[in-house]
Amino acid sequence: GAGVSQSPSNKVTEKGKDVELRCDPISGHTALYWYRQSLGQGLEFLIYFQGNSAPDKSGLPSDRFSAERTGGSVSTLTIQRTQQEDSAVYLCASSFREQGPLEQYFGPGTRLTVT
Amino acid sequence: QQQVKQSPQSLIVQKGGIPIINCAYENTAFDYFPWYQQFPGKGPALLIAIRPDVSEKKEGRFTISFNKSAKQFSLHIMDSQPGDSATYFCAASRAASGSRLTFGEGTQLTVNP
Repeated sequence: GAGVSQSPSNKVTEKGKDVELRCDPISGHTALYWYRQSLGQGLEFLIYFQGNSAPDKSGLPSDRFSAERTGGSVSTLTIQRTQQEDSAVYLCASSFREQGPLEQYFGPGTRLTVT
Repeated sequence: QQQVKQSPQSLIVQKGGIPIINCAYENTAFDYFPWYQQFPGKGPALLIAIRPDVSEKKEGRFTISFNKSAKQFSLHIMDSQPGDSATYFCAASRAASGSRLTFGEGTQLTVNP
């Protein structure tokens, strides 16, 4: 079937505004991850969902960042009061843990630019 | 420690050459080591992965060598092609921690025709 999809592909917002980024994982994948890719920072983990619960939120950089997942499928990453340092590519990945490996499949990302 | 160190930052080879990218990790609890390939404007794509119970894994032209005692692993690309030009990331994870990936800094590979 289809791979991981993310929307929007690009988002430009003004500093101080809130943004919502969406991830549709591969159908049947129970685990979902958010990562951030910035110039000079590489790829960094943000949050992990197993089903609808988030057992690992340790990568969220501040309380302005939150995420939820509903129906064990779609996830939304919300950034409140955006700052210029939030500019990055936000990547979502999913995996089917019951199948053993930990193979994570990434979406194309959402490029966020905060002006 | 959760870091994964990757080198070199960039690499240029001629077509047919064998680029080698190296990674080192500190956390001995890591038990899964994937390599990802990323083209500009795209998300990372899983290339090949290894578990610590084997020292080498080959898939097509891609080979991972793994040295558990040295806590190092490397990617070799045999008979490299211009289409292999991309950024390569190594990563590591622990199944017990939800498999979050800790990535290396990336290597920008250019394969000249």
